[in-house]
Amino acid sequence: DVQLVESGGGVVRPGGSLRLSCATSGFMFDDYGMSWVRQVPGKGLEWVSGISWNGGSTGYADSVKGRFTISRDNAKNSLYLEMNSLRVEDTALYHCARNGGGAGYYFDYWGQGTLVTVSS
Amino acid sequence: SYELTQPPSVSVSPGQTARITCSGDALPKKYTYWYQQKSGQAPVLVIYEDSKRPSGIPERFSGSSSGTMATLTISGAQVEDEADYYCYSTDSSGNRKVFGGGSKVTVL
Repeated sequence: DVQLVESGGGVVRPGGSLRLSCATSGFMFDDYGMSWVRQVPGKGLEWVSGISWNGGSTGYADSVKGRFTISRDNAKNSLYLEMNSLRVEDTALYHCARNGGGAGYYFDYWGQGTLVTVSS
Repeated sequence: SYELTQPPSVSVSPGQTARITCSGDALPKKYTYWYQQKSGQAPVLVIYEDSKRPSGIPERFSGSSSGTMATLTISGAQVEDEADYYCYSTDSSGNRKVFGGGSKVTVL
């Protein structure tokens, strides 16, 4: 079974930094692109960032561009999100998601998420 | 910026048909995907590429797309189908990945 388990969330002050991790199992990690999607509790979903299977291509939402960095370690079957200059509006549950195959860019499996709270 | 528009809520009686719409200017050119999210759980893909159903998703879930509107249909809705449903797609360039605002489906 495909499993995605996020970690690294917590409480941080505005302007601070945090590094999220996503440990994966149950599939060939280096065959798939991966993404981070966040959700403010009780609100909707927002794509944050994505990375290709080999890390050669990355993308970011305008809201995080220049502050967040996505990366992966295929030897460890793991995905990461380095978050700097955090803002109150970055407070959310951050889900790791596997990019699906086929013609479009979408997410076929999701983790339960790790909660990031940015507060003074 | 690109937006996908969904109704905030849809109500249906058990056994009846629920239809959730999603409108967006780029939908004639881009696939729509649908996710089900039950309270406290991660989203689950229920429809991909407009109308395809992943393995394990009940046949009562179906999708269609015409022009600038995509539709998720739950035929014979069950109580366990109560959840938030999100459509997802990209803008015409593929650069912006966007979710609709979500539709809360109530079965009662």
